[in-house]
Amino acid sequence: SAVISQKPSRDICQRGTSLTIQCQVDSQVTMMFWYRQQPGQSLTLIATANQGSEATYESGFVIDKFPISRPNLTFSTLTVSNMSPEDSSIYLCSGSGASYNEQFFGPGTRLTVL
Amino acid sequence: DAKTTQPPSMDCAEGRAANLPCNHSTISGNEYVYWYRQIHSQGPQYIIHGLKNNETNEMASLIITEDRKSSTLILPHATLRDTAVYYCIVRLFNAGNNRKLIWGLGTSLAVNP
Repeated sequence: SAVISQKPSRDICQRGTSLTIQCQVDSQVTMMFWYRQQPGQSLTLIATANQGSEATYESGFVIDKFPISRPNLTFSTLTVSNMSPEDSSIYLCSGSGASYNEQFFGPGTRLTVL
Repeated sequence: DAKTTQPPSMDCAEGRAANLPCNHSTISGNEYVYWYRQIHSQGPQYIIHGLKNNETNEMASLIITEDRKSSTLILPHATLRDTAVYYCIVRLFNAGNNRKLIWGLGTSLAVNP
């Protein structure tokens, strides 16, 4: 198994600003993912973070709004750019090993945009 | 990936077995059934997965019907700490580039003292 931590755990931001969320895994994982979970809703995949190359975004999510980095097998960042109140959500990082059998999740970052 | 249907909520008495159903009538032959749960204010946690045989681990048992169109997650002795939203997901195992999980709304299980 892997233990995933995220920073910050929560933040309150002003509209028009950007926030970078960090995701650290305690062991190497093959795949890393970023999800969004809006209040009372299920998880929606934003993108797959690829090591050393551009992330793969899901429909409805673009790199300009959610730039992602993954410099190595244990670390990734997600930036929420030019934020608006609609970006208020919980952002979750996850990772999986080579078998892709199970995904491990971080505790999430609760973002509020005023 | 096949779609799943779960009841929105269930109650269970502490110490009793919790049986959470899931319908996946359009599941294909190479799709597995996965179960995750999300305790309030935490990230989801993997529970168990299976293809067609029943599976058991330290957390739960997974019973899959012979036609694979439905399954049941069983928590044999539910505790208050099992109160969570439980997600049933079907997905190709080791699916190459199609590894993403499609999350529904799950079942909100309340374990009562």
